[in-house]
Amino acid sequence: DAGVIQSPRHEVTEMGQEVTLRCKPISGHNSLFWYRQTMMRGLELLIYFNNNVPIDDSGMPEDRFSAKMPNASFSTLKIQPSEPRDSAVYFCASSDVDKHGYTFGSGTRLTVV
Amino acid sequence: AQKITQTQPGMFVQEKEAVTLDCTYDTSDPSYGLFWYKQPSSGEMIFLIYQGSYDQQNATEGRYSLNFQKARKSANLVISASQLGDSAMYFCAMRLNQAGTALIFGKGTTLSVSS
Repeated sequence: DAGVIQSPRHEVTEMGQEVTLRCKPISGHNSLFWYRQTMMRGLELLIYFNNNVPIDDSGMPEDRFSAKMPNASFSTLKIQPSEPRDSAVYFCASSDVDKHGYTFGSGTRLTVV
Repeated sequence: AQKITQTQPGMFVQEKEAVTLDCTYDTSDPSYGLFWYKQPSSGEMIFLIYQGSYDQQNATEGRYSLNFQKARKSANLVISASQLGDSAMYFCAMRLNQAGTALIFGKGTTLSVSS
């Protein structure tokens, strides 16, 4: 099992540019979560999906953020346009609703300059 | 609303000693799960231990144990025989026991183990 795979590991972009973060959950897991981690705010839930359907996006900070899960093996988090305050580590996690484990990816460190 | 509180920003312990990291939670739901994760300086999130609200016994996983006091709504992590490699950030998290519900995290506690 390769675990949850996130790409890229690091992203540096200029303010105003579009950024797309990618996530491949563990095969068979039916829930997927996007979190953002900053020093000031800690780990915040942005959005999560069950069976590819968005369940709760109340944590998405602004309309500049959007997330999709077109199939069970892929999800994207897009920021357009990006701003310096979006700089953070973005984690993707997946879980099997029948079990207790939540597995996190290695995260994407985003820097917007 | 559900909430997780970790009141210790930083903790210091010497090798081989035991340490307790505090966590309190708030929920009106009778069914929930409590988790602890470790985040070393490399950044990955490592699952340590899980406790269900209806579990009769405190969870244990190797050197980790969870001191679950339901009436006080606390779920403290106890690490026995600390090792240098235990130095990391530790997060307490809660999930309501509904299908596919997300984890809500506390702010974390930084543990430093010295020799």
